Amino acid sequence: NAGVTQTPKFQVLKTGQSMTLQCAQDMNHEYMSWYRQDPGMGLRLIHYSVGAGITDQGEVPNGYNVSRSTTEDFPLRLLSAAPSQTSVYFCASSYEALGYNEQFFGPGTRLTVL
Amino acid sequence: AQSVTQPDIHITVSEGASLELRCNYSYGATPYLFWYVQSPGQGLQLLLKYFSGDTLVQGIKGFEAEFKRSQSSFNLRKPSVHWSDAAEYFCAVASGGGNKLTFGTGTQLKVEL
Repeated sequence: NAGVTQTPKFQVLKTGQSMTLQCAQDMNHEYMSWYRQDPGMGLRLIHYSVGAGITDQGEVPNGYNVSRSTTEDFPLRLLSAAPSQTSVYFCASSYEALGYNEQFFGPGTRLTVL
Repeated sequence: AQSVTQPDIHITVSEGASLELRCNYSYGATPYLFWYVQSPGQGLQLLLKYFSGDTLVQGIKGFEAEFKRSQSSFNLRKPSVHWSDAAEYFCAVASGGGNKLTFGTGTQLKVEL
C-alpha cells in the first residue's frame, strides 16, 4: 500500500492563479480531509468528506473547493490563489468518519503564493 | 466548540532525560484524544490515542499518555528521550460524531546530546 499520496510536493503560484492539489489513498478509506499548517497555528481543517459524493466545510474553507467523485481521490482546488494561502497542505484519510479512528496523513504539499 | 491548548511552544531536554509534554482540551462530552508527531519535512504520524477504558495509554516509540478528566489534560510522557525524538508534537481532539480533528499549536522538542 502506498497509503496517502499527495502531489505536487512543492508549488509556487502567482496571485490570482488557480491550481489543484491532488490527494489519493489506496486503503479504501471512507473519510478524507484537507488541513493547512501554518507556523504557530497547528493544523486547521479546510474541507472533509465522509464518502464519495459527500463533502462539507471545515474551519477555514474560504478560497478552497473540493469534490469527491471516487473513494480514492479528494482533490483540493484553489480558484484564485492569494498570498494568505501560502501554507503547507496535508491530506488525511481514515476508515470511517468516527472520532476514534486513526487518521493517516500524506507527506504534504508546500505552496507559496507570490 | 472544542479546543486544544499546548502551553509549551519549545522544550529542550538532554538525551536520556525524561519528557512530559502538556496538553489541555476543552470539550463537552467524552473526548477522543490523540498525540501525533511530525518530523522535519514529513507528514504526521500517530503516537497514541485515547477514547475509553484505561486512562494510561501506551503508544509507539516508548511514549505514553495519561487522560485526566478532572484536569482536562492528556499529557505525553517518555521516561528516557532519544536524539531521534526531536520533532514537533501535536495534541488533537476529535468530536464523537465524526473525524474532525482540532489540533493544538504544537510543541517543538529539541534534544541535546
